[in-house]
Amino acid sequence: ELKVEQNPLFLSMQEGKNYTIYCNYSTTSDRLYWYRQDPGKSLESLFVLLSNGAVKQEGRLMASLDTKARLSTLHITAAVHDLSATYFCAVDANYGGATNKLIFGTGTLLAVQP
Amino acid sequence: KAGVTQTPRYLIKTRGQQVTLSCSPISGHRSVSWYQQTPGQGLQFLFEYFSETQRNKGNFPGRFSGRQFSNSRSEMNVSTLELGDSALYLCASSLEGMRTEAFFGQGTRLTVV
Repeated sequence: ELKVEQNPLFLSMQEGKNYTIYCNYSTTSDRLYWYRQDPGKSLESLFVLLSNGAVKQEGRLMASLDTKARLSTLHITAAVHDLSATYFCAVDANYGGATNKLIFGTGTLLAVQP
Repeated sequence: KAGVTQTPRYLIKTRGQQVTLSCSPISGHRSVSWYQQTPGQGLQFLFEYFSETQRNKGNFPGRFSGRQFSNSRSEMNVSTLELGDSALYLCASSLEGMRTEAFFGQGTRLTVV
């Protein structure tokens, strides 16, 4: 059964600093997603990573995928307060399939302090 | 382009009652998935429907059921509500086929009292 572990659970950062959130998963998958959730809101799609070595960047966020290590990272560069939110990684449990069954990590609550 | 629409946004029910939640996917999307989000268990997969057929099911009791209509709209039903069913229920839609992104609706906040 696919398990997804995310760490840290909580991250308090100062503005301008860099940090990385890690997402490990237990079985082979070919799709990994990063989502952002603001308090009381739904999930906003950030990145879709589909192949080994995939790297995607949007603003101060960069995500990468290493399928051999079963590891994805979300790197935050020069954090700003607006990035404060909970970040989830999610892995599709149906390797090679056409269906959608996402297994989510526990989430990382990011608090960027001025 | 309209996003995923879930109704109602908020719901308060009493233990033992049943509830039906609705999800209208993005136009053209045929896959609809449901997730439950609670502080204790996090985000958990409930089930996925595609072309009116359930394709995947998570580890939830039979009190949780769903269906999908020919226009891809989906409903989720929970019977004999328990306090532990209080949660944010999220619906996601995606195109058919591999390597497609799932887009989430705003969710329905269910409170069972």
